[in-house]
Amino acid sequence: DTGVSQDPRHKITKRGQNVTFRCDPISEHNRLYWYRQTLGQGPEFLTYFQNEAQLEKSRLLSDRFSAERPKGSFSTLEIQRTEQGDSAMYLCASSLSTVNTEAFFGQGTRLTVV
Amino acid sequence: SQELEQSPQSLIVQEGKNLTINCTSSKTLYGLYWYKQKYGEGLIFLMMLQKGGEEKSHEKITAKLDEKKQQSSLHITASQPSHAGIYLCGAVHNDYKLSFGAGTTVTVRA
Repeated sequence: DTGVSQDPRHKITKRGQNVTFRCDPISEHNRLYWYRQTLGQGPEFLTYFQNEAQLEKSRLLSDRFSAERPKGSFSTLEIQRTEQGDSAMYLCASSLSTVNTEAFFGQGTRLTVV
Repeated sequence: SQELEQSPQSLIVQEGKNLTINCTSSKTLYGLYWYKQKYGEGLIFLMMLQKGGEEKSHEKITAKLDEKKQQSSLHITASQPSHAGIYLCGAVHNDYKLSFGAGTTVTVRA
């Protein structure tokens, strides 16, 4: 399967714990996005990378969230000291960096903070 | 995104009937994307529109982008149970960042 893959698919964690999610984009895609989606809402932009450079980070993203893409390939999203409000689906997408090219999404990681 | 408004929020349609979903942007669109999502899964790309007046079709789904490039509609002809899901419009404005509307939940009743 050469699509975008995310791991894990599901994560249940206790409040206050740290969690890390991984995204493997389509290999030739140099742009990578992270989104968060809650029930009944569209995906909410969190951050994106052009190769290994993090070009934009949403103001909605607190300091507890950090993302990396160290070699311009896979990316990780870490949430420290999780809160119940962090419960959501976290989606990763990748695309080429040409103008108006479609982004391909992974299946997402569903986080439940108890 | 408050920049993209989708309507209706949800709709129920009898199998075989047509349906239309609208997406309105508060800014000029550089690209308009339609995606479909099954509950709890990722987004599946449907089609992308760039030019004012552009219209694209795939099987029974047609999408149009108006001349002023601030509104798009998605039309499904003779809906089937496989058309059920959440339809999301996404837009690129002037910063290459893809933003989404809140989605329209489509239920198809047999």
